[in-house]
Amino acid sequence: SQQGEEDPQALSIQEGENATMNCSYKTSINNLQWYRQNSGRGLVHLILIRSNEREKHSGRLRVTLDTSKKSSSLLITASRAADTASYFCAPKTGGTSYGKLTFGQGTILTVHP
Amino acid sequence: GAGVSQSPSNKVTEKGKDVELRCDPISGHTALYWYRQSLGQGLEFLIYFQGNSAPDKSGLPSDRFSAERTGGSVSTLTIQRTQQEDSAVYLCASSTSGRPDIQYFGAGTRLSVL
Repeated sequence: SQQGEEDPQALSIQEGENATMNCSYKTSINNLQWYRQNSGRGLVHLILIRSNEREKHSGRLRVTLDTSKKSSSLLITASRAADTASYFCAPKTGGTSYGKLTFGQGTILTVHP
Repeated sequence: GAGVSQSPSNKVTEKGKDVELRCDPISGHTALYWYRQSLGQGLEFLIYFQGNSAPDKSGLPSDRFSAERTGGSVSTLTIQRTQQEDSAVYLCASSTSGRPDIQYFGAGTRLSVL
């Protein structure tokens, strides 16, 4: 597995605005996942996008993947105070679906009510 | 159980003592992972179990760290002779054969070594 690098490191917005976070990685991937972490504790899986997919939606989340640029973005629309959390991407390489995930430093999102 | 359960949720110990951290994965999940998260290092992988064997233990930082899994279920992470740099949140995750890519995390154990 390889480490993704999230950008920006921190993002502060008002409730109702959209939040966009980016992830870059270095080598070819099988898939890329996004996770959310509240209050420095457990991570929650948000969405998985496979290397042959370009866009995926889940509720207010939209993920894009550009394998030519080796980058992904996570868009949260109509943000809420409850979206305040750290967001991590995890690009997955290797021949097996099992195996470790490697996370970057994450993007800290603060949504002000 | 409904989710991954870790205990204790918080542990304060003195430098030099041994500690045991426990992880109870989601029932039926064959894969189990340990990570740790500290301010300086971010989220680091420690070890991965498939059933009771550990195909990847490349992330264990030193021989003071060991882990075992019995009965394909509960896992224990043991840190011997704890050091202050071991202070971190230790996270456990599990995944199922049906969706092996997706890992479900516990709430973690916050370890403080004084």
